[in-house]
Amino acid sequence: NAGVTQTPKFQVLKTGQSMTLQCAQDMNHEYMSWYRQDPGMGLRLIHYSVGAGITDQGEVPNGYNVSRSTTEDFPLRLLSAAPSQTSVYFCASSESTVGNTIYFGEGSWLTVV
Amino acid sequence: AQSVTQLDSHVSVSEGTPVLLRCNYSSSYSPSLFWYVQHPNKGLQLLLKYTSAATLVKGINGFEAEFKKSETSFHLTKPSAHMSDAAEYFCVVSPRDNYGQNFVFGPGTRLSVLP
Repeated sequence: NAGVTQTPKFQVLKTGQSMTLQCAQDMNHEYMSWYRQDPGMGLRLIHYSVGAGITDQGEVPNGYNVSRSTTEDFPLRLLSAAPSQTSVYFCASSESTVGNTIYFGEGSWLTVV
Repeated sequence: AQSVTQLDSHVSVSEGTPVLLRCNYSSSYSPSLFWYVQHPNKGLQLLLKYTSAATLVKGINGFEAEFKKSETSFHLTKPSAHMSDAAEYFCVVSPRDNYGQNFVFGPGTRLSVLP
C-alpha cells in the first residue's frame, strides 16, 4: 500500500551541485507530476508526464529536467542547483487529469546554500 | 483556461465553532473540484472531491463542500472545529472532460484553531 514514494526527504546542496529527486508510484497511474511549494505561492507545476516516454513543461520548468522511462518512475533532476531552488518538492500521480484524484508523496525538503 | 481563488490566506476560529474556507474557480470545461489538507511538514491529503454527482460533497473528518455552478464556488465547511484541523487547505480544479489539462491549485488557506 505504498502509493507515491519520493526520496530523499531532506537534502542540503551547495550551489552548482546536481542531484536527482526520485519518485515512484505503484498504482499504475499514467499521469505523474512534480510541484514545488513555496511560502505564499501554493503549489506550482514544474514538469508533468501523461505516460511513459512523454513529458512536458509546467509553470516553472527552468533548471529542472525529467524523464519517464517507465510508468512507475518519474525522477526530477536539478542540473546546477541555485539558492532559488530551495523549496519543498512534491511528486504526484493520478490515473489522468480528467476528474481523478491526485495522490501526493510526502515531500522532499531541499536547501541550496 | 482554469484558475482558482482562495479568498482568505488565513482563517482563525475557536475550537467548537464553524469553519468556512472559501474557494472560487474559473474553468473553460466542466470542472472536477477537490479540497486537500496539508498538516505541517506533511504531504497533501484528499479531503473530498466533486466530479458531477451530488453538489453537496461529504469528506473525511466532518468536512463538506457545496458545488455552486451559478456562483462558481466550492466552499469548504465544518460545523465544529477541532484543534487537529489546524493546517493548510488547498482548493484544486481539473477539467472533467478535457484530457491533458493539468490540475490547478489555489494558493492555500491556513486555518488556525484557537483553544
